[in-house]
Amino acid sequence: QVQLVQSGAEMKKPGASVKVSCKASGYSFTSFDFNWVRQATGQGLEWMGWMDPNSGKTGYAQKFQGRITMTRDTSITTAYMELSSLRSEDTAVYYCAKNPRATGDFDDWGQGTLVTVSS
Amino acid sequence: QAVLTQPSSLSASPGASASLTCTLRSGINVGTYWIYWYQQKPGSPPQYLLKYKSDSDKQQGSGVPSRFSGSKDASANAGILLISGLQSEDEADYYCMMWHSSAWVFGGGTKLTVL
Repeated sequence: QVQLVQSGAEMKKPGASVKVSCKASGYSFTSFDFNWVRQATGQGLEWMGWMDPNSGKTGYAQKFQGRITMTRDTSITTAYMELSSLRSEDTAVYYCAKNPRATGDFDDWGQGTLVTVSS
Repeated sequence: QAVLTQPSSLSASPGASASLTCTLRSGINVGTYWIYWYQQKPGSPPQYLLKYKSDSDKQQGSGVPSRFSGSKDASANAGILLISGLQSEDEADYYCMMWHSSAWVFGGGTKLTVL
């Protein structure tokens, strides 16, 4: 069965960077896009960006341009999301989700990774 | 003004129907877009429910009961998620989403209470 397993919780200081991983299994890794979505406690969902793991092509939400990098390692079927220059407002649960190319059917999600930014 | 606006909360009784709206910002025509719907329960990631563009262009998520359906109200410029035969397990947050200006955009979510 399809599984997306994310890395564990992180605690970071303001100004630092965080890199969250999303290990995929149970399907053809390069046949589906990845998206990253975050959710602050008690708040709604916020889309961050997408990546085609076949080509490495990415697209980022304007809000995160310059601070976010999405990459992948096809040899270990893992996608990564790195966010830099962290501030307290980046404290949230970060989710990876897969979807058929060029659709919004985010049909499988990781369990979420809590990133806490605090001095 | 937000691209997608959802009422923050809605209450309905078990067995009844609930209509959750997702209103597009003025100037963005709902008829042109796929509207996606997600359900999220506390402590869990969102779950994809369905997508709707028209009665001839719609798709149910895998394993999603037919009690969940999508539609549009062109006069209100809104996408609608209809849940019929409400069950206690339907109590959750519901989010709409669309692709706009090269980005996926979520609505603010509606908390559905079944009581």
